[in-house]
Amino acid sequence: DIQVTQSPSSLSASIGDRVSITCRASQNISTYLNWYQQKPGKAPNLLIFAASSSQSGVPSRFTGGGSGTDFTLTVSDLQPEDRATYYCQQSFTSPITFGQGTRLEIK
Amino acid sequence: QVQLQESGPGLVKPSQTLSLTCSVSSDSINNGSYYWNWIRQPAGKGLEWIGRISTSGSTNYNPSLKSRVTISVDTSKNQFSLRLISVTAADTALYFCARHKSARFDYWGQGSLVTVSS
Repeated sequence: DIQVTQSPSSLSASIGDRVSITCRASQNISTYLNWYQQKPGKAPNLLIFAASSSQSGVPSRFTGGGSGTDFTLTVSDLQPEDRATYYCQQSFTSPITFGQGTRLEIK
Repeated sequence: QVQLQESGPGLVKPSQTLSLTCSVSSDSINNGSYYWNWIRQPAGKGLEWIGRISTSGSTNYNPSLKSRVTISVDTSKNQFSLRLISVTAADTALYFCARHKSARFDYWGQGSLVTVSS
C-alpha cells in the first residue's frame, strides 16, 4: 500500500495569514494527489485535484503543488471559514489511501 | 447537481452484518467513467477507503477489510450497496458513499452513522 503522511497534524494561524500543509507519499505517485476540506459532521469537499488543479467553485486562495512524493496545500489570506480538517489522498493505485489529516484552527 | 444519499440501519449488533445503500440521483450509475465508493470515518479519526465498484461490476477492496466486505450495484434502481459481515465495535463509524471520477472523489453523500453495539 502507498502511505501518505501529512504534516503538521494541527496548526493555528490568524486571519489573513498564509499556511501550508505538506503530504509525502511513500513512493512516486506522479500527480495523483488530491486535497479535501472537511468541516465537523460534514462530508469532505474536494479542493484540489491532480496535485495543482482547483475544483470549480473553490476560492483562489487555496493552491496546490508538487509531484512525485512531495506535495503542498497552501491557504493564503486565511479566513474564519477555513477552520476545518484537511486531508490529502492518493489515487495512483489501489488501495486508495488518505493522509491522517491536518486540523487548522483560527486564532 | 449529482446527489448521493446513504440509507440503512443506524445500529447493528456485534457479529452481525452491516448493510448500507447509496442512492444516486441526477446521474446514471451506468456511466462507464466512474467508480462508486464507500469510505468510513470513526468518530474523531481520519478517513478510511473501504472499496469501490465500477459500472461493469468489477470491485476493489481495502485489503484490511477485504475478507468481510462486499460492494454490489443495482443499475435498475441507480443504487449501490455495502455489506460488511462479522462487525465489531471497531466498525462503528460514519459511512460515506462517494463518486470517483478521473482519479478524484468529486461527489459525496452526507454520511450515515452506524453504531455497533448490543
